[in-house]
Amino acid sequence: TQLLKQSPQFLSIQEGENLTVYCNSSSVFSSLQWYRQEPGEGPVLLVTVVTGGEVKKLKRLTFQFGDARKDSSLHITAAQTGDTGLYLCAGGGDSNYQLIWGAGTKLIIKP
Amino acid sequence: DAGITQSPRHKVTETGTPVTLRCHQTENHRYMYWYRQDPGHGLRLIHYSYGVKDTDKGEVSDGYSVSRSKTEDFLLTLESATSSQTSVYFCATRGQGAMNTEAFFGQGTRLTVV
Repeated sequence: TQLLKQSPQFLSIQEGENLTVYCNSSSVFSSLQWYRQEPGEGPVLLVTVVTGGEVKKLKRLTFQFGDARKDSSLHITAAQTGDTGLYLCAGGGDSNYQLIWGAGTKLIIKP
Repeated sequence: DAGITQSPRHKVTETGTPVTLRCHQTENHRYMYWYRQDPGHGLRLIHYSYGVKDTDKGEVSDGYSVSRSKTEDFLLTLESATSSQTSVYFCATRGQGAMNTEAFFGQGTRLTVV
């Protein structure tokens, strides 16, 4: 069974600080996605990484896929209150239907 | 944005009653999913569909059934609701092919079983 472990489960920091969220597995994934979910809404895709060692930047967010395609990280520089939300990682398997979900990191950015 | 509509958005029901949640999509996506989301557990797959009348079980399928008679509609039925099925339910869709990996979600249905 493929599992994705996210850490930390909960993070509360001050605006302006930097943070990193991790998504780890013992399994290899063909792709890794990061989603953000706000209260009362469904998750929304932020990024998809597919190549080992790939780094993608989305404004102040930097996403990295591990060389072995087993882990990923999300780094936020100078966090803002608008970054508050639940961040979920999801690993794609060989079949198109399959997505394995991490349990999520609840991020609170305090003003 | 993919048009995914879940109904109802909120429901309170009594233990032992059947409940049906509806998911409607306008994107002609092949794959449709039902998840439940509970604190500390993330998204857990209940059932999924890979085409009309083609469905399969996910990791937490006990007590749930699904039907997909049309591409656009995916129904989730709780045959006899229990308090452990109190949760937020999300429907999601994905297109077909290696370039269509993004999952699109509805806004969720908050179900309370009393």
